[in-house]
Amino acid sequence: GEDVEQSLFLSVREGDSSVINCTYTDSSSTYLYWYKQEPGAGLQLLTYIFSNMDMKQDQRLTVLLNKKDKHLSLRIADTQTGDSAIYFCAETRTGFQKLVFGTGTRLLVSP
Amino acid sequence: NAGVTQTPKFQVLKTGQSMTLQCAQDMNHEYMSWYRQDPGMGLRLIHYSVGAGITDQGEVPNGYNVSRSTTEDFPLRLLSAAPSQTSVYFCASRPTGAALTIYFGEGSWLTVV
Repeated sequence: GEDVEQSLFLSVREGDSSVINCTYTDSSSTYLYWYKQEPGAGLQLLTYIFSNMDMKQDQRLTVLLNKKDKHLSLRIADTQTGDSAIYFCAETRTGFQKLVFGTGTRLLVSP
Repeated sequence: NAGVTQTPKFQVLKTGQSMTLQCAQDMNHEYMSWYRQDPGMGLRLIHYSVGAGITDQGEVPNGYNVSRSTTEDFPLRLLSAAPSQTSVYFCASRPTGAALTIYFGEGSWLTVV
């Protein structure tokens, strides 16, 4: 995942909004994803965005895509303690054959 | 519906030993892959397969072998384990062309001492 970068850690209070950022390098990526990993578990697909979109909203989740800067963000509204997890952004390469992950951001939500 | 099943969940190996991590899926997916997860480095692709009899290398293939004799199974072999291979390993599968519906196993925690 060295070509897809994220900050390692984010701490917020319950009820606040969380914004997790990601930068990627492959301008030909067609899909960009956000995955959630809870302790001791595999990865769960949270949401995705097509490269021809700027924004996508899905309940408490908002994804923003800035193709010019190759910047992707995930905003979680009204963050809950159950949102504490590691969040990975990912991009597809080589005609969907490769899914390349970012380094992951650990989100800690305190009461 | 079992989904993607990985075994073993935990394993401790001595340096130089060999072992195989098993991965099986019952969804008739053509595409299967193996990732390793290390702190601060995200998930890195080791090997992948787009169908039975076809395998290809990912980002970090050295020290690992794979084979795909059936659609269901995609074992990952460590030929001569090294401490640098201490990691959590994830197997994943999806239908070919369906970029969204990727299913992950629950992970295999491997420690090489």
